[in-house]
Amino acid sequence: DTGVSQDPRHKITKRGQNVTFRCDPISEHNRLYWYRQTLGQGPEFLTYFQNEAQLEKSRLLSDRFSAERPKGSFSTLEIQRTEQGDSAMYLCASSRGTSGSLHTGELFFGEGSRLTVL
Amino acid sequence: KNQVEQSPQSLIILEGKNCTLQCNYTVSPFSNLRWYKQDTGRGPVSLTIMTFSENTKSNGRYTATLDADTKQSSLHITASQLSDSASYICVVSGQASGGSYIPTFGRGTSLIVHP
Repeated sequence: DTGVSQDPRHKITKRGQNVTFRCDPISEHNRLYWYRQTLGQGPEFLTYFQNEAQLEKSRLLSDRFSAERPKGSFSTLEIQRTEQGDSAMYLCASSRGTSGSLHTGELFFGEGSRLTVL
Repeated sequence: KNQVEQSPQSLIILEGKNCTLQCNYTVSPFSNLRWYKQDTGRGPVSLTIMTFSENTKSNGRYTATLDADTKQSSLHITASQLSDSASYICVVSGQASGGSYIPTFGRGTSLIVHP
């Protein structure tokens, strides 16, 4: 399987606990994105990596959220001291970078990690 | 702030009928526009891409249009099938604060096709 994979697919946790999600992008893709999606809404941008560099962070990404892509391959998204409002689907996507800063590549999404905070 | 607005929010049609979904955006500078299809509980999948110079593009029963002057796009689905039931999301790539071009997603139009 050469698609984007995310783990775990589902996570139920109690408020105040920390959770970590992992994303393995398509191997030749240098760009990686994290989005959050709640019911009835479109995906909201959280953060973007080009190789190992985190180039963009949304204001949605509070200080309880941290994302890494240490070797420019897989990425992790950690949420500390989870709150009920963090309950959502966390989507990871990757794409092949194009020349310059213009983004024209198709995003390939994983199946998402659904977080439920009790 | 980059924004993408879609209408209608939801749509119910009978199998075999046609429908058109709308997308308005305020993303600048504009790079490209894509329509994605998202089945329930799955990640979105790209249907078509429109760049600044393109007005119309077809992909099977899907036809997308783009008017870059009015910043509007539409997705027309012909001869709908039950499998078309999904959320259709308009995605526009524009420049974020750090200089990178980031895809901004609309809320989507939920399409239900009844037999």
